[in-house]
Amino acid sequence: GAVVSQHPSWVICKSGTSVKIECRSLDFQATTMFWYRQFPKQSLMLMATSNEGSKATYEQGVEKDKFLINHASLTLSTLTVTSAHPEDSSFYICSATRQGAVYEQYFGPGTRLTVT
Amino acid sequence: RKEVEQDPGPFNVPEGATVAFNCTYSNSASQSFFWYRQDCRKEPKLLMSVYSSGNEDGRFTAQLNRASQYISLLIRDSKLSDSATYLCVVNNASRNAGNNRKLIWGLGTSLAVNP
Repeated sequence: GAVVSQHPSWVICKSGTSVKIECRSLDFQATTMFWYRQFPKQSLMLMATSNEGSKATYEQGVEKDKFLINHASLTLSTLTVTSAHPEDSSFYICSATRQGAVYEQYFGPGTRLTVT
Repeated sequence: RKEVEQDPGPFNVPEGATVAFNCTYSNSASQSFFWYRQDCRKEPKLLMSVYSSGNEDGRFTAQLNRASQYISLLIRDSKLSDSATYLCVVNNASRNAGNNRKLIWGLGTSLAVNP
């Protein structure tokens, strides 16, 4: 159990366009989902914490108006990169925790975004 | 000082070798510790949690030293398939219960097991 999917797995878009990434928990209810970004040869950087039905909590330095997060249900969270620029090109990964399991995070396979 | 610090490596070892990775963390109030494994261009996968008394899972042994704020991972009888980056992860100890779920990630230690 504890499978998390992400869609799309990769996307190439033009500068200025917006891209939506979906994160789904397939076999459990995810009270909290996390969005990470990872640049090549760097560690995972937490962008925001998303709780179902409430506003996401963004990490310092992450623009909430640029990275829109919606966590409308216990199985789905979306990250929209608005007005994407080449510097937004990165590996975006979501993770989810089950209710009651505070620290164990299950990761989606990631979405590789390339902005041209 | 970084919140979670690891030697980036790379560690190049022959098959069958024993290799140990170390990690130090800065927040003495942290309560939960993990080792994750990440293959190139893939998502991290939980390898094992680290318990106070130390724990073993097959060829992998994890240990925690709270006094020194130090975590280790030992891999015995290395296999080619163990080649990956090993990430040390610590929870963010905070009075804010929501923030406690936040994990702090090390940069990872790269391991290459050679035939």
